Amino acid sequence: EAGVAQSPRYKIIEKRQSVAFWCNPISGHATLYWYQQILGQGPKLLIQFQNNGVVDDSQLPKDRFSAERLKGVDSTLKIQPAKLEDSAVYLCASSPPLGEQYFGPGTRLTVT
Amino acid sequence: RKEVEQDPGPFNVPEGATVAFNCTYSNSASQSFFWYRQDCRKEPKLLMSVYSSGNEDGRFTAQLNRASQYISLLIRDSKLSDSATYLCVVWGDSNYQLIWGAGTKLIIKP
Repeated sequence: EAGVAQSPRYKIIEKRQSVAFWCNPISGHATLYWYQQILGQGPKLLIQFQNNGVVDDSQLPKDRFSAERLKGVDSTLKIQPAKLEDSAVYLCASSPPLGEQYFGPGTRLTVT
Repeated sequence: RKEVEQDPGPFNVPEGATVAFNCTYSNSASQSFFWYRQDCRKEPKLLMSVYSSGNEDGRFTAQLNRASQYISLLIRDSKLSDSATYLCVVWGDSNYQLIWGAGTKLIIKP
């Protein structure tokens, strides 16, 4: 079974630039998550989709972050404009409802 | 009080020893619980689900204590390869909210 795919794996941008990440979940998983993980901390949930509807985006900095899930499958997460503190690993995961999450390899973002 | 709390460690444990850590949660309506393992610079990977009756997978045992609102992970006969950060995840309520602990770092020493 194919896992969660993410791209790019690494990205280096300057502050105030824009960046977008892509995620393709495991086939049939209705729930998709985007996390931000800063070194030494647990993953922080940014947004959770159930199919193509948003379940929880309470920790998404909406002034600069946006996310969408196209047709309830793939998802993109965008940051515009980026700040230095956005440097982190951005993880995408998918799961069935109330089930185990499976993670993609993550995108390591460095903002200089 | 944080919704999900873990002792950050690190726990420094000799190879072959038994180690246990807990994860406390504040929402008594929580429905599902998991332990994940995360190696340095890697994504979290599911270690085991935590069932009401407790569950065991080889050297790993997970238990749920609903009365005291915590889950536990016990590792027996620890191996060097068990060195990692162990994260607990709690599904909150019917709104499908889930919450991660910050993780407990485990270092197994030869």
